[in-house]
This record gives sequence, structure tokens and C-alpha cells, in this order.
Amino acid sequence: DAKTTQPTSMDCAEGRAANLPCNHSTISGNEYVYWYRQIHSQGPQYIIHGLKNNETNEMASLIITEDRKSSTLILPHATLRDTAVYYCIVRYILTGGGNKLTFGTGTQLKVEL
Amino acid sequence: GAVVSQHPSRVICKSGTSVKIECRSLDFQATTMFWYRQFPKKSLMLMATSNEGSKATYEQGVEKDKFLINHASLTLSTLTVTSAHPEDSSFYICSARDAQGGSYGYTFGSGTRLTVV
Repeated sequence: DAKTTQPTSMDCAEGRAANLPCNHSTISGNEYVYWYRQIHSQGPQYIIHGLKNNETNEMASLIITEDRKSSTLILPHATLRDTAVYYCIVRYILTGGGNKLTFGTGTQLKVEL
Repeated sequence: GAVVSQHPSRVICKSGTSVKIECRSLDFQATTMFWYRQFPKKSLMLMATSNEGSKATYEQGVEKDKFLINHASLTLSTLTVTSAHPEDSSFYICSARDAQGGSYGYTFGSGTRLTVV
């Protein structure tokens, strides 16, 4: 099963871009990379996901390396409300169909003035 | 977007009693739902995968007789913590994915804070 490695914590100044790295060196060809974030005592919030190509939506951009062994989540203009734990997750394909998300330890992003 | 409602948000129960937590997909059908547990300052730990109309699949180390899961319809899954003890106190979170696909990935409920006294 592919595992992910993220830094434990990061700080970012408000208004600047936050770049959150994730290593997933054992990812297989048909596994997606998902990013979620969790604000204290709430359920995780979906941010973005991708397979091979870079992705962008209204929340963030996802940059996946060509070998797919790592990715970076980019919050282009971080605000105080982006302070949260960010999880990089590889979606496992279960035998017989179906999927599950397994969470790693995540990165605590702190956005400061 | 897809919404998952989880109820109750908080519950306090006495040791030895059972507690039921509901997870509903409000605007989509979910053939599969997932139950997680989270201890303070820790990550989410997958407990089980709930399949509509069939038995749940439990992760290794999770007692299926203690954590009863029922997924009777395409929009409702329940987790019952039976004979709860203080060590079962935790934050329980469910998630579901739209059976029709879609770009939102897996949607999570807002969680249930269980305190066993």
C-alpha cells in the first residue's frame, strides 16, 4: 500500500503562497492523490485530487511530479482561515472494487499575519 | 456540492450503554460509506467500510461486535458503539462518495464527539 510522508508543520505569512509537499514514492499507476484539510474539531474538507496531470480549482493547485512520487499542494494566497491540518492521501483500490482513503499524519499549516 | 450530515454532533453517555451515530448523504446516493475515529492531536483512523445492503468490512484490530455498522439504504449508515467504555471516547467521522461519481471526491460529515463517563 502506498504511504505518504508530509512535514509535521509549516508556517506561512498571510497573502503569500503556501506550498505543502507530499512524498508518495510507492504509489501505483492507478492510484489518485487526494488532498483534504481539517480545521479543529470538524470533518475533513475536500480540496483537490489528481492522477497524473496538474490540477487547479477555486481552492488550490496540485502539482504532481512526472514520476508521480511526490506532489505539492499550492494555496496561492493563504489567509488566516487556511490554518488547518492538511492531509495528502493516496486512494487505494480495494480488491473486488471500491476504494478507501487512508490518512497519514498530515501537515499543520499555520498562517500568520 | 455533496453534503454528508452526521448526527449527533456531541454525545455523552454512561459506561456500559450503547450509542448510535447516524451518517446521511443528503443530496446523493452512496453505496459505500466509511467510518473513522480520531483521537486528540492524531490523524483519522479508518475503522470500517460500510456497504449498502451487505456486511461492513472492518479494518484490522477493530472489533466488529463492539462497533456495529448498518447501511440499510443508499443514503444512511449507522455506527453503534455497544457497551461503551471511557476508552471509546473519541471523535467519530463518516464519509461517503457519490455513487454517480463526480469531482468532489469523498465528502465527510462534521463528526461526532463521543464522551463516555
